[in-house]
Amino acid sequence: NAGVTQTPKFQVLKTGQSMTLQCAQDMNHNSMYWYRQDPGMGLRLIYYSASEGTTDKGEVPNGYNVSRLNKREFSLRLESAAPSQTSVYFCASNDVGARKSYGYTFGSGTRLTVV
Amino acid sequence: RKEVEQDPGPFNVPEGATVAFNCTYSNSASQSFFWYRQDCRKEPKLLMSVYSSGNEDGRFTAQLNRASQYISLLIRDSKLSDSATYLCAVNLNTGGFKTIFGAGTRLFVKA
Repeated sequence: NAGVTQTPKFQVLKTGQSMTLQCAQDMNHNSMYWYRQDPGMGLRLIYYSASEGTTDKGEVPNGYNVSRLNKREFSLRLESAAPSQTSVYFCASNDVGARKSYGYTFGSGTRLTVV
Repeated sequence: RKEVEQDPGPFNVPEGATVAFNCTYSNSASQSFFWYRQDCRKEPKLLMSVYSSGNEDGRFTAQLNRASQYISLLIRDSKLSDSATYLCAVNLNTGGFKTIFGAGTRLFVKA
């Protein structure tokens, strides 16, 4: 059971380059998320997709775009990378009930360095 | 004030000790609460979910205090393998899609 699969695991970009981080889940979850984690800052929500066909901004969306390709896949794109986007990126998924949110399953992360 | 706050630690405890972490949250409308464990250079993994007053799973107990707006995690009989960063997370349940994470508390368990 793979859970949440993220690719790539590591990436180095030059300022101004673009790239897409891929995420796929096999748990039939409706909701998917992209977070970034920086030292001392905790996990911050970039974008989320409540269900297939919908996406919404989180706390730190500037410089990013997302696509919910289907129920399984949710990609994050950096159009013009900046050094401030150096971070560890995590994709996550869960189900959300009528009265409660369930815990996340995270992917293994992408370590991105922008030089 | 941060929405979710944790003492960053580190907490250094001997094997077999009992250790407790607290996590405070600012939004009184929060409904779902979580503790995650994160090992160095790994992804967070769900440890416990708390929806009412508390939850217990083996050596781990989570308690929710709505009046004071904090949740706690108690680890009994600490093992070397418990060494990790523990993240607190809070969800408002309004649409259910924005879970806010604390920055984490580091725990070192020593022999």
